[in-house]
Amino acid sequence: QQPVQSPQAVILREGEDAVINCSSSKALYSVHWYRQKHGEAPVFLMILLKGGEQKGHDKISASFNEKKQQSSLYLTASQLSYSGTYFCGTETDSGYALNFGKGTSLLVTP
Amino acid sequence: EPEVTQTPSHQVTQMGQEVILRCVPISNHLYFYWYRQILGQKVEFLVSFYNNEISEKSEIFDDQFSVERPDGSNFTLKIRSTKLEDSAMYFCASSQQGNGDEQYFGPGTRLTVT
Repeated sequence: QQPVQSPQAVILREGEDAVINCSSSKALYSVHWYRQKHGEAPVFLMILLKGGEQKGHDKISASFNEKKQQSSLYLTASQLSYSGTYFCGTETDSGYALNFGKGTSLLVTP
Repeated sequence: EPEVTQTPSHQVTQMGQEVILRCVPISNHLYFYWYRQILGQKVEFLVSFYNNEISEKSEIFDDQFSVERPDGSNFTLKIRSTKLEDSAMYFCASSQQGNGDEQYFGPGTRLTVT
């Protein structure tokens, strides 16, 4: 079952903040966050692993609540370049496959 | 910075034909993946490959599909007897380790089945 992302879409003015959420009904090993711009490949942003380890970009922050199997991506002081679709991909203990959510479309306007 | 490469960038084929999509993963990576994305939809997992064998596959990855690592650098996805609904962007990805490691995606091959 795919993770559920919210919101589906968000529009920001440059400099504003946003939070994108991802929740799963399964016990997760890790949550991966990607940003995809139109016509391009998904670009890795961050991994959050159970136990608290995180790997990713310095300018992006995220959290992973293992009890609730929920992750949130925090975009602060948004820039025009942040526009794109954000996907969370979840990984369980039983394999390496990423199960992606439907994505959150983010548009940052001047 | 090392990156995953894919060829061709766009492939047009007729229904019923076979296609081979090629990928060169990052050189020191050991785990390889194929994903697909139908236009406007989410990215879907197809298959993962490690140590010269399939480690996991989705329901989408039926007998029509096969993967191969023919040499030390290439990783291929073969689609036999293509159908209209196979039209999608196919992404190859690779990671150094399995669980909990970054998967780096290639630029994708857009497959159009007519």
